[in-house]
Amino acid sequence: EPEVTQTPSHQVTQMGQEVILRCVPISNHLYFYWYRQILGQKVEFLVSFYNNEISEKSEIFDDQFSVERPDGSNFTLKIRSTKLEDSAMYFCASSEDLQGGEKLFFGSGTQLSVL
Amino acid sequence: KQEVTQIPAALSVPEGENLVLNCSFTDSAIYNLQWFRQDPGKGLTSLLLIQSSQREQTSGRLNASLDKSSGRSTLYIAASQPGDSATYLCAVRGVTGGGNKLTFGTGTQLKVEL
Repeated sequence: EPEVTQTPSHQVTQMGQEVILRCVPISNHLYFYWYRQILGQKVEFLVSFYNNEISEKSEIFDDQFSVERPDGSNFTLKIRSTKLEDSAMYFCASSEDLQGGEKLFFGSGTQLSVL
Repeated sequence: KQEVTQIPAALSVPEGENLVLNCSFTDSAIYNLQWFRQDPGKGLTSLLLIQSSQREQTSGRLNASLDKSSGRSTLYIAASQPGDSATYLCAVRGVTGGGNKLTFGTGTQLKVEL
């Protein structure tokens, strides 16, 4: 079965450094998402992306965050200057279409630790 | 703002028992509701998706129901097994805003004991 793949599985960085989290969505999917889960808390929406632009973002997704689809297969989340509170599991997801009823498929996540 | 609540927060049952997990949401303007399974340190696996026009969905030993007007969903697991031990999350896709995001509950941590 096709799956969403994320790399790396773990990332450790120093506060203030830039990190790029990478995702390969399912090949025929058109909508891409980033979610995060701080330890012990709910999974939270960050951003959705369609047709090479952001379609929706949450209040968490401020100027230090950016997303990009640099080629036909990868989808990246960049955090420009990491903070301690950015430590979380980051999940990428994709869906085939958006008629309001499509299932999201999630990757296994990147555990980001900011020291 | 959509709020999703799951009860109970944790549940421990003996193998073979049937069980029900509950999910409630505050805004009934939704496209769909999804139930996910999350294993420790792992990603989210979609179990069932119920469209807003549907009442229930079944997959194997799992059955999910939706009462949109009352803002409730239940996940029924029949004949539970130790391999069912995981955290179960429900999430709703709301109509308001861009209609692109899922709002998750805090989950029910299930342990099925031998």
